[in-house]
Amino acid sequence: GESVGLHLPTLSVQEGDNSIINCAYSNSASDYFIWYKQESGKGPQFIIDIRSNMDKRQGQRVTVLLNKTVKHLSLQIAATQPGDSAVYFCAETKNSGGYQKVTFGTGTKLQVIP
Amino acid sequence: GAVVSQHPSWVICKSGTSVKIECRSLDFQATTMFWYRQFPKQSLMLMATSNEGSKATYEQGVEKDKFLINHASLTLSTLTVTSAHPEDSSFYICSAASLSAQYFGPGTRLTVL
Repeated sequence: GESVGLHLPTLSVQEGDNSIINCAYSNSASDYFIWYKQESGKGPQFIIDIRSNMDKRQGQRVTVLLNKTVKHLSLQIAATQPGDSAVYFCAETKNSGGYQKVTFGTGTKLQVIP
Repeated sequence: GAVVSQHPSWVICKSGTSVKIECRSLDFQATTMFWYRQFPKQSLMLMATSNEGSKATYEQGVEKDKFLINHASLTLSTLTVTSAHPEDSSFYICSAASLSAQYFGPGTRLTVL
């Protein structure tokens, strides 16, 4: 079936270093992809998204790369800070019945070492 | 940005009782809302899609008679867990869809004793 998954369940990064979180997806029909950050006991927080016709998008300290050839998505966080510690989910969306249906990947826990 | 609230934020109940969780879009109208369930250290799994004024659409494997969804207005959807059991203990998260995006609520922690 269709799925969105991550390569690494846990990532430990030194404060100030760059973080790279990877995600593999299997459904090439997705409209666009989103990265979410979820802190303990809270709902997902939107970080950045990218449409399927793009291969790179930059935000503040974050960059998302999309490689459709190998169905791979990555989130790069520059100068990682302790406040970046959380679980990060990639998600794919596709139009279903007039709305965007979001399917979440398995998640990567980012631990920032002070 | 758009705000979605959930009430209560956490609830503890006895096995066999029913629990209602509310999801509200505070500053926009949402014709479609979604309910997710998240077990510890796992991802969010879509349970059902709630459409204002019509029946909810449930994902495969989700019992519609156990998880009752009502979307009575453009700003409110409710999820009722009927005859809750310990295995229903989870983090329930809703999201509300605008024309361009989905906005997630803060989640409701349900613990069934």
